[in-house]
Amino acid sequence: AQSVTQLGSHVSVSEGALVLLRCNYSSSVPPYLFWYVQYPNQGLQLLLKYTSAATLVKGINGFEAEFKKSETSFHLTKPSAHMSDAAEYFCAVSNMNRDDKIIFGKGTRLHILP
Amino acid sequence: NAGVTQTPKFQVLKTGQSMTLQCAQDMNHNSMYWYRQDPGMGLRLIYYSASEGTTDKGEVPNGYNVSRLNKREFSLRLESAAPSQTSVYFCASRALLGTGELFFGEGSRLTVL
Repeated sequence: AQSVTQLGSHVSVSEGALVLLRCNYSSSVPPYLFWYVQYPNQGLQLLLKYTSAATLVKGINGFEAEFKKSETSFHLTKPSAHMSDAAEYFCAVSNMNRDDKIIFGKGTRLHILP
Repeated sequence: NAGVTQTPKFQVLKTGQSMTLQCAQDMNHNSMYWYRQDPGMGLRLIYYSASEGTTDKGEVPNGYNVSRLNKREFSLRLESAAPSQTSVYFCASRALLGTGELFFGEGSRLTVL
């Protein structure tokens, strides 16, 4: 069964600083991995996804993530934080089998300090 | 484009009452999902339907039933609501098995007194 662990339920960074949100996964088969963002009182929208092509994946709003199989990680980064990046971020995993579950981590709330 | 539409957006129930959350998507997606979101718990999968006519349990199915009425619609029913079911419920759909991303509705906030 798949699972996702997001380290840090809250992360604070200064505006202009590097954003790093951590995600580790567990999967018995090669995974597909996703990062979603949720702004207050809204649904979730996709930031980026890894589907076994390039290990470095670029997403919207300047975010990117690197798939590292040896570390079972899929950390999300952005070189320079903006106030508008304040939101909750979720990492999710899916397997390539016919079992079509998508399992989410508990989320990391990103705070941007002026 | 409506995408994924959930109704109602807000509902207050008393313990023991029943209700159905409705979800419809207009993107011709095969797979549909129901999640609940609780503070500090992330999104937890309740039930999902990989295709019309099939449903499967997720991580937290107890106390819920689902119906995949047709390709467009996937409803979630609470037969006897409990305060522990107070949550925000999200419906989502997905185009491709294994690689496609989820498209979410705006959520339904349910309070059980």
